[in-house]
Amino acid sequence: KAGVTQTPRYLIKTRGQQVTLSCSPISGHRSVSWYQQTPGQGLQFLFEYFSETQRNKGNFPGRFSGRQFSNSRSEMNVSTLELGDSALYLCASSPTGGFAKNIQYFGAGTRLSVL
Amino acid sequence: DAKTTQPTSMDCAEGRAANLPCNHSTISGNEYVYWYRQIHSQGPQYIIHGLKNNETNEMASLIITEDRKSSTLILPHATLRDTAVYYCIVRVDRNRDDKIIFGKGTRLHILP
Repeated sequence: KAGVTQTPRYLIKTRGQQVTLSCSPISGHRSVSWYQQTPGQGLQFLFEYFSETQRNKGNFPGRFSGRQFSNSRSEMNVSTLELGDSALYLCASSPTGGFAKNIQYFGAGTRLSVL
Repeated sequence: DAKTTQPTSMDCAEGRAANLPCNHSTISGNEYVYWYRQIHSQGPQYIIHGLKNNETNEMASLIITEDRKSSTLILPHATLRDTAVYYCIVRVDRNRDDKIIFGKGTRLHILP
């Protein structure tokens, strides 16, 4: 099976712009979670989608949003970019059920630089 | 805040067993212990998880104390490729309203 695919791998934006990141989960996985990773704050949970519905949300401002499509692919959007949004954005997918249902499989991430 | 406490960094000689401790003194009866690692510039990788019994797979062993307040991840024969940040997290069934909280992890250096 192919792993979790995130595109693009690298992105450079300027303050005030908006950005959309894409994540294709492992085939058959319906849960997709997003994380932000920075040197100062570490790995922080953004939100989780399951069957096109947001099931869980972290403590991030409303500028951060996401959605999930019927094929389980997910996108996250950041509007009005700030310098502090520079980070590695990671996507993870999980199986639907069974003993392995809480295991998260991560993509390689999208590194966003805001200038 | 993270529900786990781990040492900031550890060293281990190549070929020796690496034992990474994790304290989770407030763990609930229905919370599992999960271990992930993150090699530089890659996404985290699942290693192993368990509830109360010791677990072993092709990558590592997980030893959970009887009171479940702490656990140890064991990499039996560490190699240079095991140099990474290791995260210990606890969480309940994901169908509940539950946020995954990663702490700072342990930076493991495998020394040649």
